[in-house]
Amino acid sequence: GEDVEQSLFLSVREGDSSVINCTYTDSSSTYLYWYKQEPGAGLQLLTYIFSNMDMKQDQRLTVLLNKKDKHLSLRIADTQTGDSAIYFCAETLNTGGFKTIFGAGTRLFVKA
Amino acid sequence: DTAVSQTPKYLVTQMGNDKSIKCEQNLGHDTMYWYKQDSKKFLKIMFSYNNKELIINETVPNRFSPKSPDKAHLNLHINSLELGDSAVYFCASSHGGQPQHFGDGTRLSIL
Repeated sequence: GEDVEQSLFLSVREGDSSVINCTYTDSSSTYLYWYKQEPGAGLQLLTYIFSNMDMKQDQRLTVLLNKKDKHLSLRIADTQTGDSAIYFCAETLNTGGFKTIFGAGTRLFVKA
Repeated sequence: DTAVSQTPKYLVTQMGNDKSIKCEQNLGHDTMYWYKQDSKKFLKIMFSYNNKELIINETVPNRFSPKSPDKAHLNLHINSLELGDSAVYFCASSHGGQPQHFGDGTRLSIL
C-alpha cells in the first residue's frame, strides 16, 4: 500500500536539535522529500534525497534514509523560533505516472 | 519571478455555485498537479497532468474538472460547490518525478 506516517507534534527548546521522523510503506519510491509549511503559506521544498542515497546534509539540515526499515528523518541543528512550522515528509512513486504521497505533517514548536 | 502562481488567493462563494481556480508555472516543467489540503492540514493529490495529458485522477468527484490548455497552465473548475469543498487548493509543478514546486494556495470557503 501507499502510506507515509509521521508523528503529529514535536516541541524543542531554541538552540537544541530537532529530529522529525517518518516511515513509508512503498519501497518503489524514487525521491523522498521534506517540505516546510508556515502558517497561511504554501509548501516550501526544504530538501530531498534520492532513494539510492543514505544521507544528505545541507547547512543545518541532515536527512537520513534507512531503506531497510523504510525510515526517513530530518535533523535540524541549532533550532530557531523561525523553524516553527509544519514539516511534511513525502515520497514520489513511479506508478506509470509520478505520484507523490504526503505524510500528515509534524508540527514543530520551538520554545524560546 | 513567481515560479508557480495561482489565482485567486481567496475564494468565498455560496453552495451550489460554479467556480474556477487558475494556475500557471514559468519553470518549464512538464508535469502539473492539483492538491487539496483540509482543515487538519492533510494534503491529498487530486490530479496530475504531464504534457497536457491527464495522468493521475484520484477518486475525485466529477464535479471537479481540470483543464490544461498548455504545459504551463492547469486550471481547476468546480461545479455545484458543496460545504465539504472548503479547503486550501494547491497547484504544483515538476519535471517528471523530480521535486515539486508549490503555489501559495487558494483558500476556498463555501457559505
